[in-house]
Amino acid sequence: DSGVTQTPKHLITATGQRVTLRCSPRSGDLSVYWYQQSLDQGLQFLIQYYNGEERAKGNILERFSAQQFPDLHSELNLSSLELGDSALYFCASSVGRDGYTFGSGTRLTVV
Amino acid sequence: EDQVTQSPEALRLQEGESSSLNCSYTVSGLRGLFWYRQDPGKGPEFLFTLYSAGEEKEKERLKATLTKKESFLHITAPKPEDSATYLCAVRGWGTDKLIFGTGTRLQVFP
Repeated sequence: DSGVTQTPKHLITATGQRVTLRCSPRSGDLSVYWYQQSLDQGLQFLIQYYNGEERAKGNILERFSAQQFPDLHSELNLSSLELGDSALYFCASSVGRDGYTFGSGTRLTVV
Repeated sequence: EDQVTQSPEALRLQEGESSSLNCSYTVSGLRGLFWYRQDPGKGPEFLFTLYSAGEEKEKERLKATLTKKESFLHITAPKPEDSATYLCAVRGWGTDKLIFGTGTRLQVFP
């Protein structure tokens, strides 16, 4: 157990639907990062939150949004889902300059 | 733009056959080069962080080295349980995010 908790582990949904992925960082970690991993593109950075504030944005689609709550857990919202959104979504947390710790991911399948 | 290229894409080794994985990078001021191991369907597992050229770190059969343009992950006398995808990532100045390469998929046969 890495200490970063992601739920659900698996999600199957239809095109056009909206889903929410949840991440609880390691105790004490203020930063949360979301990454998307698809077969042909590797790990792609989506967005970073630090202590409740958005800190950095990657190539995140406008249909995707995220937030970090006062208890530091984060949610990634994916809407108007398309087949191409099927991927593994990972959350990572960190404190300081070392040790980005990843969760076990959510596998999203859009049918 | 920060970029990471890993080679080879895939590597098949006999148990005990040592080899090296390469990670070439371009980054606007390196604030850390990271190696991760990833098993199928699981999250990346942290292995090493290197910060400056000449730095080396070891863990069991793995040794990571860093130059100004690339990093190597040396695997000595690998075992089948070392089979995994090895990912390299960099962090540049002014950012906390990691930029990942596409990984090297290592298979070690008994």
